[in-house]
Amino acid sequence: GAVVSQHPSWVICKSGTSVKIECRSLDFQATTMFWYRQFPKQSLMLMATSNEGSKATYEQGVEKDKFLINHASLTLSTLTVTSAHPEDSSFYICSARTDSVNTGELFFGEGSRLTVL
Amino acid sequence: AQSVAQPEDQVNVAEGNPLTVKCTYSVSGNPYLFWYVQYPNRGLQFLLKYITGDNLVKGSYGFEAEFNKSQTSFHLKKPSALVSDSALYFCAVRVKAAGNKLTFGGGTRVLVKP
Repeated sequence: GAVVSQHPSWVICKSGTSVKIECRSLDFQATTMFWYRQFPKQSLMLMATSNEGSKATYEQGVEKDKFLINHASLTLSTLTVTSAHPEDSSFYICSARTDSVNTGELFFGEGSRLTVL
Repeated sequence: AQSVAQPEDQVNVAEGNPLTVKCTYSVSGNPYLFWYVQYPNRGLQFLLKYITGDNLVKGSYGFEAEFNKSQTSFHLKKPSALVSDSALYFCAVRVKAAGNKLTFGGGTRVLVKP
């Protein structure tokens, strides 16, 4: 299947700093990528839909100024957690679809675990 | 609004025995249904999907799922479980009318004992 790479896989930062997570589609172009957040022992919560060349679409309750998303190219989307606080600690997962047909399955990155001290 | 329910938080099964992970859904419109598996501290891996056609879908690692429209279910099955199948399993649904957003169930942890 298609490969989606996330970096870093884990990061520890101090409260108040900003952290950037990258999501790359390695062997295909993705016009749309998705960012999820997963709390321990819970399901995935969609945060936003990242669209190449345009603004991201955020889900209700997700602060767009807190979680900045940039989809700079067809193979790269970034999520920046600004002024991170301990409650932002979580497992962040990105995904992308391989084709423009809406029946395609999503391929997921390996996730990035953020710990804010 | 679309939703997915996985009624069991955990399923325990002995190695070699059949494994079933339950999933029911609620949508307006025709659903696209998916199963994913997640190992600790990893992303999700695609197992199988139902879009249209044959109700019985075969996927990776010997898993299969049956789409039942009348019962709005999409249970995941494997005839003979392996210890390596121990993981977290997610059912998901997407509906075109709902903007094609993927909605996940709460997840079911599978523990296969030797």
